[in-house]
Amino acid sequence: GAVVSQHPSRVICKSGTSVKIECRSLDFQATTMFWYRQFPKQSLMLMATSNEGSKATYEQGVEKDKFLINHASLTLSTLTVTSAHPEDSSFYICSARDQEGTEKLFFGSGTQLSVL
Amino acid sequence: GENVEQHPSTLSVQEGDSAVIKCTYSDSASNYFPWYKQELGKGPQLIIDIRSNVGEKKDQRIAVTLNKTAKHFSLHITETQPEDSAVYFCAATPLNTGNQFYFGTGTSLTVIP
Repeated sequence: GAVVSQHPSRVICKSGTSVKIECRSLDFQATTMFWYRQFPKQSLMLMATSNEGSKATYEQGVEKDKFLINHASLTLSTLTVTSAHPEDSSFYICSARDQEGTEKLFFGSGTQLSVL
Repeated sequence: GENVEQHPSTLSVQEGDSAVIKCTYSDSASNYFPWYKQELGKGPQLIIDIRSNVGEKKDQRIAVTLNKTAKHFSLHITETQPEDSAVYFCAATPLNTGNQFYFGTGTSLTVIP
């Protein structure tokens, strides 16, 4: 299957700092990428839909100024957690849809964020 | 919008036995149903999928069946092995719409050696 690369896999930061997570589709172009948050032993919670060249669409209850999403190219989307606080600690996962090919959805390996 | 329900939430089987996980969906517009396997600390991995023009699909020890009329689909794993232990998620979406994928709540499968 197609490969989606997500970095970093783990990050520890101090409260008040910002953290950027990158998501790249390595062998296909993704006009749409999705960002999820996952709490332990729970399902995937969609945070936002990232469309190349346009503003992201955020799900209800997700603060767009807190979670900045940029999808500047067909292979790269970034999520920046601004002024992180301990309650932002979570597992963040990106996914990319191979819309021009199989239309299948492929996931990155996830980023475990810990805010001290 | 679409609502996907998944059962059971946890499942334990003896090595070599079969495991079945079931999902139902509500939106008749959904026509693509993938299954993902997620190991601890990793992202979900696509293991098998089915489109609505097919009733069953098999790939070695895993198979998926779809009943469009009843709006349910199932994952079947035969001859289970300890490495099959993981959380499995079903999903549903309408293709060619750019819509999001709607996920079930997950099934934690434990294969006992």
